[in-house]
Amino acid sequence: DSGVTQTPKHLITATGQRVTLRCSPRSGDLSVYWYQQSLDQGLQFLIQYYNGEERAKGNILERFSAQQVPDLHSELNLSSLELGDSALYFCASSVRAVDYNEQFFGPGTRLTVL
Amino acid sequence: KNQVEQSPQSLIILEGKNCTLQCNYTVSPFSNLRWYKQDTGRGPVSLTIMTFSENTKSNGRYTATLDADTKQSSLHITASQLSDSASYICVVSAKTGNQFYFGTGTSLTVIP
Repeated sequence: DSGVTQTPKHLITATGQRVTLRCSPRSGDLSVYWYQQSLDQGLQFLIQYYNGEERAKGNILERFSAQQVPDLHSELNLSSLELGDSALYFCASSVRAVDYNEQFFGPGTRLTVL
Repeated sequence: KNQVEQSPQSLIILEGKNCTLQCNYTVSPFSNLRWYKQDTGRGPVSLTIMTFSENTKSNGRYTATLDADTKQSSLHITASQLSDSASYICVVSAKTGNQFYFGTGTSLTVIP
């Protein structure tokens, strides 16, 4: 158990809908990362937050947005969902924002868009 | 273009044997290289992290090497166990923009 929690575990929704994925980092970790893992694209970095501020952006679509709230948990919002958004979404956390910090991954949320 | 390539794509070995997985990258400017182990349907678990100045790092039966000149890394697994069956993913970070580039992984199966 990494200490990172993600909810929900599974999510099934329809095209065009909007969903919110939630992540609680390990106690004391200030940095949160979001990743998408699909069968055809592998793991991709989406976005990183540090202490409430956006720190780095990867291959995140404009339909997706994220935030890190004052208690440091994070939400990933996915809107106008398409079939291709079906994937495992992982959250990871680390103590600081420096890129050589070890990241601890949560168990993931499996999103299925029908 | 920043890319990470891993080989082989899949590997089957007998329990107790050693194996080596490869990672080649073109990411620049280089910051660090990580190896992760990912069991099916679970989050990746960090095995090693190496910066530019490190050329070997061990974590139990896992030893990673890095040659920053040739932009190659390897992960050596010693005395494999059935629990080593997983996907092994190489990730390279770029200094610019704090980006992470993932390889597609090597699927390792250890058989008794």
